[in-house]
Amino acid sequence: DGGITQSPKYLFRKEGQNVTLSCEQNLNHDAMYWYRQDPGQGLRLIYYSQIVNDFQKGDIAEGYSVSREKKESFPLTVTSAQKNPTAFYLCASSSPRGYQQNYGYTFGSGTRLTVV
Amino acid sequence: RKEVEQDPGPFNVPEGATVAFNCTYSNSASQSFFWYRQDCRKEPKLLMSVYSSGNEDGRFTAQLNRASQYISLLIRDSKLSDSATYLCVVTSSGGSYIPTFGRGTSLIVHP
Repeated sequence: DGGITQSPKYLFRKEGQNVTLSCEQNLNHDAMYWYRQDPGQGLRLIYYSQIVNDFQKGDIAEGYSVSREKKESFPLTVTSAQKNPTAFYLCASSSPRGYQQNYGYTFGSGTRLTVV
Repeated sequence: RKEVEQDPGPFNVPEGATVAFNCTYSNSASQSFFWYRQDCRKEPKLLMSVYSSGNEDGRFTAQLNRASQYISLLIRDSKLSDSATYLCVVTSSGGSYIPTFGRGTSLIVHP
């Protein structure tokens, strides 16, 4: 079955450490997104990519980095510069015309990152 | 002003009740509209798209009012399993079609 796989499900980070969250999709979607969700808050856009080897900053990109070397993969690195990284991280994807044809966005099951 | 606004609730309703949520958006150039459902500690899942003419899917009805810039979701005959947070999503034109999410409306259906 097609879908988006995020790993790990839970991740613990020490102060000053970089960690990378994985996001892989086999839906043949061109666009991929990373969101952060804090308790009681909506989803905030970190980075997005609409095509391989290209990505754009979202609303809260500081302290994060991404790469898009393959269509299927869009890993997110949370760097030590991100001062409050504890949150629920969600990866999503969409087809080029999906949002135009009202197909929406497909989400992975998320990664819960905690600073210890 | 937030781009997409929702009443966070919670809406606390008995089984069988009819409940409606509204969501307002600020960008008049918005193109696509969706309602997502998010269960506690889970990822959002597409509930339904919202079409200009309004659309229905079983007990759920979605409507779009472009003049007043809001969308609505009506749930009839509420079930216990409808308890969740409902997210409004708006996608704007301009080449990027990046979705903007509301904070969500919490629904609690009790026996």
